Amino acid sequence: DQQVKQNSPSLSVQEGRISILNCDYTNSMFDYFLWYKKYPAEGPTFLISISSIKDKNEDGRFTVFLNKSAKHLSLHIVPSQPGDSAVYFCAASEVGGANNLFFGTGTRLTVIP
Amino acid sequence: GAGVSQSPRYKVAKRGQDVALRCDPISGHVSLFWYQQALGQGPEFLTYFQNEAQLDKSGLPSDRFFAERPEGSVSTLKIQRTQQEDSAVYLCASSDGQGGSNQPQHFGDGTRLSIL
Repeated sequence: DQQVKQNSPSLSVQEGRISILNCDYTNSMFDYFLWYKKYPAEGPTFLISISSIKDKNEDGRFTVFLNKSAKHLSLHIVPSQPGDSAVYFCAASEVGGANNLFFGTGTRLTVIP
Repeated sequence: GAGVSQSPRYKVAKRGQDVALRCDPISGHVSLFWYQQALGQGPEFLTYFQNEAQLDKSGLPSDRFFAERPEGSVSTLKIQRTQQEDSAVYLCASSDGQGGSNQPQHFGDGTRLSIL
């Protein structure tokens, strides 16, 4: 059973506009959330994370928002650039666990020049 | 190198053969993880090491899968008597935190295993 869900397989955005990628989870024991970016034939690259004690974390053009009551998080990329075109994975780990990550199925972002 | 290194990048084997996949984590990283990624899916957890101790192997799909990290650095994932359903990308990740420390994991580029 998928505990982390990314319901949009793909997203297209014009260069310079905002990209919003969404993620939902079902496990209330998750307390740490991450976004990874993946190019073809490469491993996932860590982008940004957020702990459950926060509702927002920002790093440059990337901001992650966490809504614990809705079990929802989102990644905002502003402004979007063609180099951002990749597959984005949402991941989560459990309180007191080994930090093994549960991943969503990914969203393919295409930024159109 | 500075990142996680995996070898080989690609491995083709006949059904029934044994394979061994290697992972060199980031130097000094205590935690090491193996994941399996099927086409069109996200990575799925296989096993976790803290230094040389294998603390969680709950994700290994069968007893044909075996992992070790004898000196707390390099790790090997071995698959015996390979089956076609073992075809996937095998990813290794490391982090410098111990379990529960909420440190990001850093991934290698994976080994793409194809079983004929």
